[in-house]
Amino acid sequence: SQQGEEDPQALSIQEGENATMNCSYKTSINNLQWYRQNSGRGLVHLILIRSNEREKHSGRLRVTLDTSKKSSSLLITASRAADTASYFCATDSNDYKLSFGAGTTVTVRA
Amino acid sequence: EPEVTQTPSHQVTQMGQEVILRCVPISNHLYFYWYRQILGQKVEFLVSFYNNEISEKSEIFDDQFSVERPDGSNFTLKIRSTKLEDSAMYFCASSVETGSMKKLFFGSGTQLSVL
Repeated sequence: SQQGEEDPQALSIQEGENATMNCSYKTSINNLQWYRQNSGRGLVHLILIRSNEREKHSGRLRVTLDTSKKSSSLLITASRAADTASYFCATDSNDYKLSFGAGTTVTVRA
Repeated sequence: EPEVTQTPSHQVTQMGQEVILRCVPISNHLYFYWYRQILGQKVEFLVSFYNNEISEKSEIFDDQFSVERPDGSNFTLKIRSTKLEDSAMYFCASSVETGSMKKLFFGSGTQLSVL
C-alpha cells in the first residue's frame, strides 16, 4: 500500500515542549503532505514538501523528508494547547487521490 | 474564507435504508472526493470525481455506493442499502487542481450511524 503510517500513535506533551511525529511510506512519491484534524472535524492542510526537498518550515512547523528511507517527520515547536489534534501524513498514490495513514494523536497539557 | 460544507452533520438510519450525503465543494474547485473514517481509525479513500466522471475508486466503493454532481454546486454520495459497517464519519473534499500538487480542502463531515 502507498499510504503513510504515522508513529507514534499517540503523544502527550507539556505546553511549550516540542512534538515530533514520523511517517513512513512504501513507494516513490511526488510529494508528501501533513494534515491536522481537530476532534470531530475535517482535515486541514498544513504543509506540503516535494520529493526533491529535504526540509520545509511554516511558522512553528518543520517538516523533513528522507526519500532514501521513505520517511518524513513533522516537528511542532513550542506547542500550545490549541495544537491538540490528530496529525496525518498523506502521500499521492496517483493524480486522483491522496492516501492517509492512521494519524498521530497529540495532546498538549497546559 | 471559502469552505466545503456538508449536510447533514449527523444521519441515523436503519440497516437496508438508502442514504444520501450532501456536499457543497468550494466554488472554483474542479476535483471532488469522498473519504470515510471509522471512529479512531485511518481516513480511507472512497472515490474521486472530475468532469462528471469517477476518476478513481477504492475497493470499499462497491455497487452500493454512487456519486453524483446533480447541479453546478452539489456533490452527493449515495449508499443504496446501508450496512452496519457503513457507520463512519464521511468527509467530502475538493481541490482546485489534480496531480502532485493537489491540496485537499475537507468539510466537517457527516457522522452516519446505521442501526
